[in-house]
Amino acid sequence: KAGVTQTPRYLIKTRGQQVTLSCSPISGHRSVSWYQQTPGQGLQFLFEYFSETQRNKGNFPGRFSGRQFSNSRSEMNVSTLELGDSALYLCASASGDTDTQYFGPGTRLTVL
Amino acid sequence: QQQVKQSPQSLIVQKGGIPIINCAYENTAFDYFPWYQQFPGKGPALLIAIRPDVSEKKEGRFTISFNKSAKQFSLHIMDSQPGDSATYFCAASNEAGGTSYGKLTFGQGTILTVHP
Repeated sequence: KAGVTQTPRYLIKTRGQQVTLSCSPISGHRSVSWYQQTPGQGLQFLFEYFSETQRNKGNFPGRFSGRQFSNSRSEMNVSTLELGDSALYLCASASGDTDTQYFGPGTRLTVL
Repeated sequence: QQQVKQSPQSLIVQKGGIPIINCAYENTAFDYFPWYQQFPGKGPALLIAIRPDVSEKKEGRFTISFNKSAKQFSLHIMDSQPGDSATYFCAASNEAGGTSYGKLTFGQGTILTVHP
């Protein structure tokens, strides 16, 4: 089976812009979680989608949002970018029946 | 109560050594404890995971030891190799409770260096 794919791999934006990141889960997996990874805060949970519904949300401002499509692919959007949003954004795929998650390679976002 | 504390922050061993990374948790509802390995520029890769019905699990050179009463678990890497040099993360969730909904709580990570 193909693994989790994320696009784009690298992104450079300026403050105030918005960005959309994409994630394709492992075939058959219905759950997609998003995490932000930074040197200072480590890996922090953003939100999880299952069957097109957001089931869980971490402690991030409303500028961070996401959605899931009927084919389980997911997107996350960050509006009004701030310098502190520079991070590696990771998508993780799971069957939905267990918490076993498989991560994609991430999207490296740099905000200038 | 959601924290997972990981130590040490960094670890240096010689080839063949047995590095040990420790994690402690507070939330007694946690019942799923995976370890991830991450190389620079890559996403975390699932190494091994344990659930609290066993005290030890071994997969290849990787072993998890679990102490439910102490709320601690650790990763041992037998016969470590330079290729094991990476960052290791422990994590936890409440899987059986069905309320994690995709949320893993991660430790802060341990940078392991294995010298040849």
